[in-house]
Parts: sequence; C-alpha cells; structure tokens
Amino acid sequence: ETGVTQTPRHLVMGMTNKKSLKCEQHLGHNAMYWYKQSAKKPLELMFVYNFKEQTENNSVPSRFSPECPNSSHLFLHLHTLQPEDSALYLCASSPRTSGGQETQYFGPGTRLLVL
Amino acid sequence: AQSVTQPDIHITVSEGASLELRCNYSYGATPYLFWYVQSPGQGLQLLLKYFSGDTLVQGIKGFEAEFKRSQSSFNLRKPSVHWSDAAEYFCAVGAAAAGNKLTFGGGTRVLVKP
Repeated sequence: ETGVTQTPRHLVMGMTNKKSLKCEQHLGHNAMYWYKQSAKKPLELMFVYNFKEQTENNSVPSRFSPECPNSSHLFLHLHTLQPEDSALYLCASSPRTSGGQETQYFGPGTRLLVL
Repeated sequence: AQSVTQPDIHITVSEGASLELRCNYSYGATPYLFWYVQSPGQGLQLLLKYFSGDTLVQGIKGFEAEFKRSQSSFNLRKPSVHWSDAAEYFCAVGAAAAGNKLTFGGGTRVLVKP
C-alpha cells in the first residue's frame, strides 16, 4: 500500500548527529501520529497531530521534535539521541482524531539505529 | 485507562491448520477494537475492527474475530492458515474518551510450519 510513505526506510546515526524522519500521507486525512516500536515493548504512541495542531505528546524526551507543516506531512527531527532510541518509528494517519473509531493507516516505518 | 493483553507471545501452527489468537482488553465502557498484522519489515495493516452490532466480525485475508463482552475478549481466528500468514499480530483498543488514541497489546508472532 502506498497511502502512507516514510523516508528514509533505514537510518544509522551517531549520538551527536541531527537527522529527520519524514512521513507523507496521500489519503486526505487530517490526523497524523508518530509511534515507536522497540523490541519486546508494545507500540508506544509518541505524538498526535490533528489539523496540523499537536494534540498529544506522550511524555516524549525533547531530543525528539515533531513538525507538522500541513495535514499531509509529518516530520520527526532527531538530535543527540541515545542508543536506547534505536527502534522502528512508525507514522500513521486517520481521517480525524475524534471518537476512537477512526482507523489508523500505517506507513512502513523507519528503522533507526543509534550508535 | 484502557489496556490490552495478548497472552501468547509466539504461536507455531502447521499450514492448513486453524489459528486462534487471544486478546483481552480492559476498558470501562464499550471499546473500539482492532486487529492489525505486521509482516517482517513492514508497517501495520488493518485486518478488521469492531465498533458495535454483530459481535462476529469478518476481515481481510479470511480472518474473523468475535467480541465477547462478558469475557472482555476479542479473539482472532482463521480456519486454515497459509504460509503467508506468518507475521506478528497486534490487538488494539480505542476509546471515545481518549480521542483516537490506540492502546496496543504486545503482539503475537505467528510461525507457520510447512
């Protein structure tokens, strides 16, 4: 499926680097999400944006900085990460954030390795 | 707050055999329930969802799930497994009071033997 795309698919970075993850949705949705998927841990919601406004920050460290310039694009800016931040970062979108019934559509993820 | 438990971390099943994956949730009101599948190196794909009405829900790829309120369960089933069903399966619950936040279970990895 190509409804939600993520780039890059793989990223290796040092702890002093600055990099950005990009997500784009082609579904006409208004809500976008960042999730972290680590080994042996359930998917963790990081951020939620609804109509470009951040509505949820799930106590994410400030070394992760999201940006949502419009309803189709979502970025995750990374700086001074730690090795424990190595994970699969998934982006998702949904029509809206209301009601709990909205199906979320996921991208393929960016596999991040922090050295 | 809602929570989801998938008791089985791994399940191995022979091709052609039936499959049942367990999911138990905790939520005070009527939950919105989802099953997603993740193939290696891929994102999550929605298999099926339950909001209301008929408690037996049909999904894609021949999967179905049954909502049982009395048992707080939403188990996923497939009558005959194909090798391509090898993947990780996630149950999730959404709640009207929590916007569109989904709470995911830890996942069940399914291995299919030839």
